[in-house]
Amino acid sequence: DAGITQSPRHKVTETGTPVTLRCHQTENHRYMYWYRQDPGHGLRLIHYSYGVKDTDKGEVSDGYSVSRSKTEDFLLTLESATSSQTSVYFCAISLGDTEAFFGQGTRLTVV
Amino acid sequence: QKEVEQNSGPLSVPEGAIASLNCTYSDRGSQSFFWYRQYSGKSPELIMSIYSNGDKEDGRFTAQLNKASQYVSLLIRDSQPSDSATYLCAVTNSGNTPLVFGKGTRLSVIA
Repeated sequence: DAGITQSPRHKVTETGTPVTLRCHQTENHRYMYWYRQDPGHGLRLIHYSYGVKDTDKGEVSDGYSVSRSKTEDFLLTLESATSSQTSVYFCAISLGDTEAFFGQGTRLTVV
Repeated sequence: QKEVEQNSGPLSVPEGAIASLNCTYSDRGSQSFFWYRQYSGKSPELIMSIYSNGDKEDGRFTAQLNKASQYVSLLIRDSQPSDSATYLCAVTNSGNTPLVFGKGTRLSVIA
């Protein structure tokens, strides 16, 4: 999977708790992305990063925050998880306006 | 809002036939176009990229791009049951903007 590791791979959490998902890359790609995938909606961009400490919002960013303190790590935090955030989360990396490579995904269930 | 449209399917084709998958996009400034394949429960994997008008062939796969019509397609020749998956079209313009994905077309190749 192009040197991309997501952790955890599966998580069940309770409504209202904070959750952090981690994406780690060994490819030294500048760009990193968090997408969520839901039936009927496809892949939707949550946040992305174009460098260390440089991030921007995607189309579904409400309720999520991100941080990138090192080139290789991109963290996605759900400040207070809600059932609507139950989804499969994918991290992706790219060199820029080129193809993106995806991690294995994290299946998050909020109960 | 940049949009990428695909028929959700399922598209069913017999083994050995040609499968034709289509995608339209709204942003006339789009420069880079990608096809991803996603098996159930797995992450998307890149199968084709195309950047200029015309056809691009790679093995059994041919990507076709028509920027004037804002249309990109993927042909799969000699379809195999192992080609059964969801195919995602993704588009980006220059300037390092993130990929925008269609919702995907589910392909079923019947043996």
